[in-house]
Amino acid sequence: DTGVSQDPRHKITKRGQNVTFRCDPISEHNRLYWYRQTLGQGPEFLTYFQNEAQLEKSRLLSDRFSAERPKGSFSTLEIQRTEQGDSAMYLCASSHPPGGSVTSPLHFGNGTRLTVT
Amino acid sequence: SQQGEEDPQALSIQEGENATMNCSYKTSINNLQWYRQNSGRGLVHLILIRSNEREKHSGRLRVTLDTSKKSSSLLITASRAADTASYFCATDSQGGKLIFGQGTELSVKP
Repeated sequence: DTGVSQDPRHKITKRGQNVTFRCDPISEHNRLYWYRQTLGQGPEFLTYFQNEAQLEKSRLLSDRFSAERPKGSFSTLEIQRTEQGDSAMYLCASSHPPGGSVTSPLHFGNGTRLTVT
Repeated sequence: SQQGEEDPQALSIQEGENATMNCSYKTSINNLQWYRQNSGRGLVHLILIRSNEREKHSGRLRVTLDTSKKSSSLLITASRAADTASYFCATDSQGGKLIFGQGTELSVKP
């Protein structure tokens, strides 16, 4: 399967601990996105990369969140000093947009479900 | 922040019936996309409609776009139990990211 993969699928952590999630996009896709989704809500944009450059980060995202895509391939999302409000599904998606600024369809992974106790 | 608002929030129909979901948005867009999500899974892209298009079809799916009203609708014809899922609209207004709506939860009863 050459789709988007995320690891781990589930993570339970205690409040105050740091967690890191990994996303492996589809290999030829140059854009990579992170979204957060809570129960009954739509995905909320967190950040996205074009190759290794982080082009946008949501203003709603606290400084405890950081994402990297060091070689323009896989990406990691780290949450420091986790809080119970961080409990959510963290979704990664990738795409390969055509030339220009138009967004093309996103291919999503199955997410990492984080539970902070 | 969410740009799209979907209506209804939940929809329950019988197999064979048609399902219509609506999406409204606030700013001008490059394109609008619809996605489907089964419980506990990632989203799957269904269809993309560009701002200069008014209607698009894909199998049993029909999407319309009215940019003057800033709204779109997704019609699923001859629904099946396997269509049970959450459906989201998403707008591309800045060419970088997609902003998703709250979703419509569709239940198709056999």
